[in-house]
Amino acid sequence: EAQVTQNPRYLITVTGKKLTVTCSQNMNHEYMSWYRQDPGLGLRQIYYSMNVEVTDKGDVPEGYKVSRKEKRNFPLILESPSPNQTSLYFCASRPTGPNEQYFGPGTRLTVT
Amino acid sequence: KNQVEQSPQSLIILEGKNCTLQCNYTVSPFSNLRWYKQDTGRGPVSLTIMTFSENTKSNGRYTATLDADTKQSSLHITASQLSDSASYICVVRVDNYGQNFVFGPGTRLSVLP
Repeated sequence: EAQVTQNPRYLITVTGKKLTVTCSQNMNHEYMSWYRQDPGLGLRQIYYSMNVEVTDKGDVPEGYKVSRKEKRNFPLILESPSPNQTSLYFCASRPTGPNEQYFGPGTRLTVT
Repeated sequence: KNQVEQSPQSLIILEGKNCTLQCNYTVSPFSNLRWYKQDTGRGPVSLTIMTFSENTKSNGRYTATLDADTKQSSLHITASQLSDSASYICVVRVDNYGQNFVFGPGTRLSVLP
């Protein structure tokens, strides 16, 4: 089944403890993105990648890192999480061209 | 500043009724406009996508319209069902080489029996 998977789905952590949220897609898509969704604000892009080893900042990249060593994986890294990074995170992928994005199921992160 | 606004913020209707959700955007240069449905706790799922030259697109009971002159779009839902209860998100893609998508805040629709 074609899909985007994220792990973990739920995570509660403390300020400053490094964490990684994994994202994987099995559709051989070139483009992958990370978004955060906060009430009343809609989804905001954190980082995106147009292919392996090619990443770029989105609208809200501060406090996040990403890597794209393989086409299928695009992990999101929070080196030192803070409470303002408490949010619902979505990974998405799409093929080259004006095609729709496929979103993962989301990761709800709480930083205390 | 590229921006997408949606109205109403929330809407409650009875099962079987029709409804229309609105989207206004100030995005340039425009590439395409998409409507997504997002069930609670799930990722958004695409309903329709329209380019500059398209002014209407249907997907079952969902019909989207686009007026590129006034920069407005609407999503009309016919004969609503309980499963239509979700957030509906309008997304405009910026026509550049990057992956710039501007998301609206969504309209929360509740369909009651």
